[in-house]
Amino acid sequence: AQSVTQLDSQVPVFEEAPVELRCNYSSSVSVYLFWYVQYPNQGLQLLLKYLSGSTLVKGINGFEAEFNKSQTSFHLRKPSVHISDTAEYFCAVNRISSGSARQLTFGSGTQLTVLP
Amino acid sequence: KAGVTQTPRYLIKTRGQQVTLSCSPISGHRSVSWYQQTPGQGLQFLFEYFSETQRNKGNFPGRFSGRQFSNSRSEMNVSTLELGDSALYLCASSFSGPDTQYFGPGTRLTVL
Repeated sequence: AQSVTQLDSQVPVFEEAPVELRCNYSSSVSVYLFWYVQYPNQGLQLLLKYLSGSTLVKGINGFEAEFNKSQTSFHLRKPSVHISDTAEYFCAVNRISSGSARQLTFGSGTQLTVLP
Repeated sequence: KAGVTQTPRYLIKTRGQQVTLSCSPISGHRSVSWYQQTPGQGLQFLFEYFSETQRNKGNFPGRFSGRQFSNSRSEMNVSTLELGDSALYLCASSFSGPDTQYFGPGTRLTVL
């Protein structure tokens, strides 16, 4: 079984400051890793994903994340945030094994609030 | 390409009733998964359908069921509604392989 821990439930940050949202996972098998964003009263939008290859992945809206296998982490970063980045962010994993069902395991979410 | 669509967007029901939610995946996607999102439990996996067959099911009671049609559209049904079933129900589709799932806007179900 997999589990995902998002270490911060709320992260307030001032506009144009950098931000890091932390995500650690636990799994006995290799996994794919995802970050999704959810704006109020909306579904989940994919920010970025790590499937294989370079451990630094770039996503939409200037976000990037780094996969660290030894620390089982997949932290999300943005060098300069905007008011419009205020939303809830979810880290998720799905195991890689062939024939596996598409069952994402989510973290509990981090509410990012960007202050003027 | 059009995204994942879910209907209706909002529903209000009373305890004991049943409800059916609909999901149309992205064209060409054959896998549809359903998730329940609540403030207390977060995002929880309900079930996944692929080529009209349920491949995996989460830890939910039998009151929650689903099906998938030959055009990959999916429905989920909740019978004998309880107050705790109030939630945002999200549908996600993917093409193949356990990689990227794309989510719809969700159906907000309120049980009174």
